[in-house]
Amino acid sequence: EDKVVQSPLSLVVHEGDTVTLNCSYEVTNFRSLLWYKQEKKAPTFLFMLTSSGIEKKSGRLSSILDKKELFSILNITATQTGDSAIYLCAVCTGANSKLTFGKGITLSVRP
Amino acid sequence: EPEVTQTPSHQVTQMGQEVILRCVPISNHLYFYWYRQILGQKVEFLVSFYNNEISEKSEIFDDQFSVERPDGSNFTLKIRSTKLEDSAMYFCASSPVKDTQYFGPGTRLTVL
Repeated sequence: EDKVVQSPLSLVVHEGDTVTLNCSYEVTNFRSLLWYKQEKKAPTFLFMLTSSGIEKKSGRLSSILDKKELFSILNITATQTGDSAIYLCAVCTGANSKLTFGKGITLSVRP
Repeated sequence: EPEVTQTPSHQVTQMGQEVILRCVPISNHLYFYWYRQILGQKVEFLVSFYNNEISEKSEIFDDQFSVERPDGSNFTLKIRSTKLEDSAMYFCASSPVKDTQYFGPGTRLTVL
C-alpha cells in the first residue's frame, strides 16, 4: 500500500521565522511529488517535483526532492500570517496519476 | 485564471437517497478525478477518468458510485444510495496532462 508521511503534524511560529516541512513516502510506480496549500477548502497547487536535487522556487517558498532517500521538504522563509494553512504533500503514481496524500501539516504563523 | 468549479457547496441528504455532485473542470483539461476527505482524515482518491471512461478506481468506489461526463463540460459523481459514512468533503480535480492536478473548492456532503 502506498504511504505518505508528513512531519511535524502541526507547527506554530512567529512572523519572520523560517519553517521546513517534511514529507517522506513509500510508493510503487512513482511519477512525481506535489505540494498543495489548503486554507479553507480547495487544495491550491504549489509545486510539482519529478527530479532529485532540483529546487523549485516561488517567492518565499521552495521545495526539493530526494528520490534516493524518498523524501521532500518545503521551505518557507520570512513567514507571514497569510502562510497559515494546512500544507499537503501528495505523491503521484501509476499510469493514471493517482494522488496519495499525507495527513497534512497545520502551520500557524503568529504576528 | 481558470478554475475548477463545483456545485453545490453543501448538500444535505437523508440516508438512502441519491445525490449528484457536479464539477466543471478547467477547459481543455483531459484528465478528471474525484477525491474525498472525511473530517479530520486524509484526502483519498476515488476515481480517475479519461477519454470518457474510468481509468482507475479505488476500493472506496464501489457499485454505489458512478461518474459521468454528460456534455463535454460537466463531470458528475453520483452516489446511488447514500450511507452515513459517505459524509465527507468531495473534491473534483482536473489536469491538462498527467500529474499536475488542480482542485475545485469541494462539496460538503452531509448524510443524516
